[in-house]
Amino acid sequence: ETGVTQTPRHLVMGMTNKKSLKCEQHLGHNAMYWYKQSAKKPLELMFVYSLEERVENNSVPSRFSPECPNSSHLFLHLHTLQPEDSALYLCASSHERTGAAEAFFGQGTRLTVV
Amino acid sequence: GQNIDQPTEMTATEGAIVQINCTYQTSGFNGLFWYQQHAGEAPTFLSYNVLDGLEEKGRFSSFLSRSKGYSYLLLKELQMKDSASYLCAVSDSNYQLIWGAGTKLIIKP
Repeated sequence: ETGVTQTPRHLVMGMTNKKSLKCEQHLGHNAMYWYKQSAKKPLELMFVYSLEERVENNSVPSRFSPECPNSSHLFLHLHTLQPEDSALYLCASSHERTGAAEAFFGQGTRLTVV
Repeated sequence: GQNIDQPTEMTATEGAIVQINCTYQTSGFNGLFWYQQHAGEAPTFLSYNVLDGLEEKGRFSSFLSRSKGYSYLLLKELQMKDSASYLCAVSDSNYQLIWGAGTKLIIKP
């Protein structure tokens, strides 16, 4: 148990579907992150929220839409995805946004786009 | 551009010692992290170095040389459960984490 919970663990969706990934943390952290992890590639930072405000959006396609309704919850809304979007999507949180703070990761959602 | 390099895969024997290297080229430096990730699981924090030198934490140690842009993770008395991927990440001048692709460590009996 890492303190960060992601659902679902696995998701298969068609290119015309709309789905959402959910992340929840009860560690009292102020910053939350979405990462994409593809095989044999570095973790790609997608979005950063600090105190519920989006502070970074690293050129992510608009078919990925984040939402942070409060400091404990983070969503990633997905629509009209492409097969190359298949990957492990990891949520993480940290006490503060600075890169000196240890990040706690969820176990990820394994996404397959067919 | 910013770059983190670490070997793709390493193999070691149970009970032995292994050193996983990480070299980096980043715009600024605010610390280097090592994470462990077992297959199908979340990455978990191992160490953080911001000053030069060796930090020891049980069987695991992490070393940093800022002038050389170099770090290593040293694992002693290897156990089968140490089979995992080890991720190196550097915090740059904007406090953004730049990640390496990870080193898959295979432990053989």
